[in-house]
Amino acid sequence: EVHLVESGGGLVQPGGSLRLSCAASGFSFSDYYMDWVRQPPGKGLEWVGRIRKKADSYTTEYAASVKGRVTISRDDSKNSLYLQMDGLKTEDTAVYYCARSSGGTGDCLDPWGQGTLVIVSS
Amino acid sequence: IQLTQSPSSLSASVGDRVTITCRASQGINSYLAWYQQKPGKAPKLLIYAASTLQSGVPSRFSGSGSGTDFTLTISSLQPEDSATYCCQQLKSYPLTFGGGTKVEIK
Repeated sequence: EVHLVESGGGLVQPGGSLRLSCAASGFSFSDYYMDWVRQPPGKGLEWVGRIRKKADSYTTEYAASVKGRVTISRDDSKNSLYLQMDGLKTEDTAVYYCARSSGGTGDCLDPWGQGTLVIVSS
Repeated sequence: IQLTQSPSSLSASVGDRVTITCRASQGINSYLAWYQQKPGKAPKLLIYAASTLQSGVPSRFSGSGSGTDFTLTISSLQPEDSATYCCQQLKSYPLTFGGGTKVEIK
């Protein structure tokens, strides 16, 4: 069974840093793109960014709202995805989801992890 | 690319046909996905490539459209379909989501 589990969320002060992790199992992690999506409390979904697979040079894409403050990385040997967040702002408060993606003509996010909550507050 | 969903919410009876629309600010071919999200849960993929039903999703769900106008249809609403539905464009970066449509059962 394909499974994604996020971890690393918590309470952090404005200006602080946090590193989220996403552990993947049940599929060939290295063959897929991976995305991060966030959802502020009571609000809609916001795409955060994507990292492509090795065959596509592990290139990344980011939303304008986080570009320059977050870095997406992966470790295929550990079947793990990461989201390094620096210079956190109160508006970064959200549940953060990781999701598998395929790219290409049938691109979509499936499945999603259960999410990890990040609260940015003093 | 902005995605505008309508309506933002609706209330319908079991057995009703429900239609949700998603309009893109520019053409996205068929690079559109639909997700269902229940409270406190992660989104679940329903439809990709605008009209392809994800494996395991009930056949009462269907998607259509291309270019800028897309539709998600639930042919016969069931109690378990009470959720928020959201579209996503995957044509160009940054990827974007619609604002969501909350479906309630009367």
